[in-house]
Order: sequence, then structure tokens, then C-alpha cells
Amino acid sequence: GAVVSQHPSWVICKSGTSVKIECRSLDFQATTMFWYRQFPKQSLMLMATSNEGSKATYEQGVEKDKFLINHASLTLSTLTVTSAHPEDSSFYICSARDRAGNQPQHFGDGTRLSIL
Amino acid sequence: AQSVTQLDSQVPVFEEAPVELRCNYSSSVSVYLFWYVQYPNQGLQLLLKYLSGSTLVKGINGFEAEFNKSQTSFHLRKPSVHISDTAEYFCAVSDEGNAGNMLTFGGGTRLMVKP
Repeated sequence: GAVVSQHPSWVICKSGTSVKIECRSLDFQATTMFWYRQFPKQSLMLMATSNEGSKATYEQGVEKDKFLINHASLTLSTLTVTSAHPEDSSFYICSARDRAGNQPQHFGDGTRLSIL
Repeated sequence: AQSVTQLDSQVPVFEEAPVELRCNYSSSVSVYLFWYVQYPNQGLQLLLKYLSGSTLVKGINGFEAEFNKSQTSFHLRKPSVHISDTAEYFCAVSDEGNAGNMLTFGGGTRLMVKP
């Protein structure tokens, strides 16, 4: 079946560091990718929708300059958490939708971000 | 706007007992419905989906769900659970017409299977 690879799976870094998370669709072309944030024991909250070749659409309350999203190809989207602080610590999950959009989104395994 | 409510945040159950995880939704348009499972520190795995047709949907790992339009519900059931079913379960909806559309998730239900 369709596979979405997310990397890294876990990252720990100092406050003020910028961290890049990659989301790749391995065997299909993902015209749309979604980025979610999940706090401990909570549900997934959509942060932004990324369409290949265009600017991402951010949900209300999500800082565009803080969470930079790039979707430069049909198989790769990146989320960069700029100047990360402890409050940015969370579990970030991406999902990808194929070109036809006929099947449910395929999810990556998530990235646990811990900012010291 | 859509919303999804999972009525139980935690469901403890003994191994081999049946279980039902409840999900209700609200939407001004017709929807597609999904159940996902999340194991610790992992992403989401699709259990089953309702797009159209039979309202009783069978999924992986012995789970099934029934779409009830009049009650706007999509409860998940399994007749006999295993220890390995311990996980977080999320119900989600998207607009009908495109199953890859933006998902709205419920708050999740933690299923705890005890020996």
C-alpha cells in the first residue's frame, strides 16, 4: 500500500535551534500534504495544508513565520520549526493525499520534537 | 463546519470481551467517515472507512463500524479484543466527494485491554 515516510522520528535540540522535518510519499505522487500537531494525550490538530508548487494554507492561530512549509515536489514536503522554544515541543505528523484524492490520507509515523 | 465527538476518553475492557467505541459527528454536508488507530509514538493507521454503500463497514484487525445517518454516529466495534488492541483510536470525517480532503478528528479514545 501507499507509504509515507517521515524523518526524523525523534529530535532533541536546544532552544533557539531551527528544526526541519521531512515528509515523503514513497510510491505515489502527493499533490497535497497535511501537517498536524499532537500534544500528549490529545487529538491531532491540523496546522496547515500544503499543495505542491504553491504556498501552504495555514489554520487560524498557526504562525506562518514560525512553521515554514515547503512542498517543492510531488513527493516531498518539509516543515521547519524556526527558532524553536520549549513550548514548540510536540508530536508532529504529516499525511499525504494522492493526485486523484480518491483514497484516504496516508500518514507518516510522526516526529517527536523535544526542545530543551 | 464539521465536528466529531468521541464520547469516551478512556475505555477499559478485559481481554476477549467485546468493545464499542462511540463516535458522533455534526456536519452541514454529507461526509466520509474514518477510524484510525495510533500506537504509542507512532503515526495513524487506517482501520476502516465509510465512503458509500453498505452502512456496516469491516476493517482490519477484526474491527467493524456502522454508519447511522439519522443518529449521525459511526461507532466502532470488536467482538473480542486482544491485549495488542491497546491503543488510541480516532474517529474522523471529511467532506463527501473527496476522501482525501481535510480531516476533522475527534478527541480520541484510549482503549485499555486488561488481561
